[in-house]
Amino acid sequence: DAGITQSPRHKVTETGTPVTLRCHQTENHRYMYWYRQDPGHGLRLIHYSYGVKDTDKGEVSDGYSVSRSKTEDFLLTLESATSSQTSVYFCAISDLLAGGVNEQFFGPGTRLTVL
Amino acid sequence: SQQGEEDPQALSIQEGENATMNCSYKTSINNLQWYRQNSGRGLVHLILIRSNEREKHSGRLRVTLDTSKKSSSLLITASRAADTASYFCATVPSNDYKLSFGAGTTVTVRA
Repeated sequence: DAGITQSPRHKVTETGTPVTLRCHQTENHRYMYWYRQDPGHGLRLIHYSYGVKDTDKGEVSDGYSVSRSKTEDFLLTLESATSSQTSVYFCAISDLLAGGVNEQFFGPGTRLTVL
Repeated sequence: SQQGEEDPQALSIQEGENATMNCSYKTSINNLQWYRQNSGRGLVHLILIRSNEREKHSGRLRVTLDTSKKSSSLLITASRAADTASYFCATVPSNDYKLSFGAGTTVTVRA
């Protein structure tokens, strides 16, 4: 999985608790992304980062926050988890090459269940 | 919102047959990419085709792009059991760099 790890790989939590997912890369890529994958929806972008301390919202950012204090790590936090946030979460990394080429490399995913 | 929409949603073929799936999108693009996802794994990049290209090959994969119809197709020739996976198209809009994924096509190759 191209030097990308996610932790934890599985988590079960209760509604209302905070949850933090970690994405770690060893590729020194500038861009990092958090997606969620749900049946019938493909992958939807939650938040992304275009550099250290530079982040922005994706299409489904409500209820999530992110932080990137160093190149290697991108954290996704659910401040107060809800059952609708039960999903599989993927981290991805990329560099932006000439001509807008943006091939992304994905981590193995974190399966989160909110009871 | 999803930019790409794949068709069909699911496909079952015999080993050795070809598999074709299609992707339609809504806005102008810089490039279109195809990814594969094996069960329980992350996505893996297969091939990228730029907006000024019409066809591209990579091994047993053939991708076409018709920007006038805003559609792309992925052909897997001589399928193998290992090709069993979900396939996603992802578009990069002309004025952006972020990917927008479709819901995917699930391909099952029967031995």
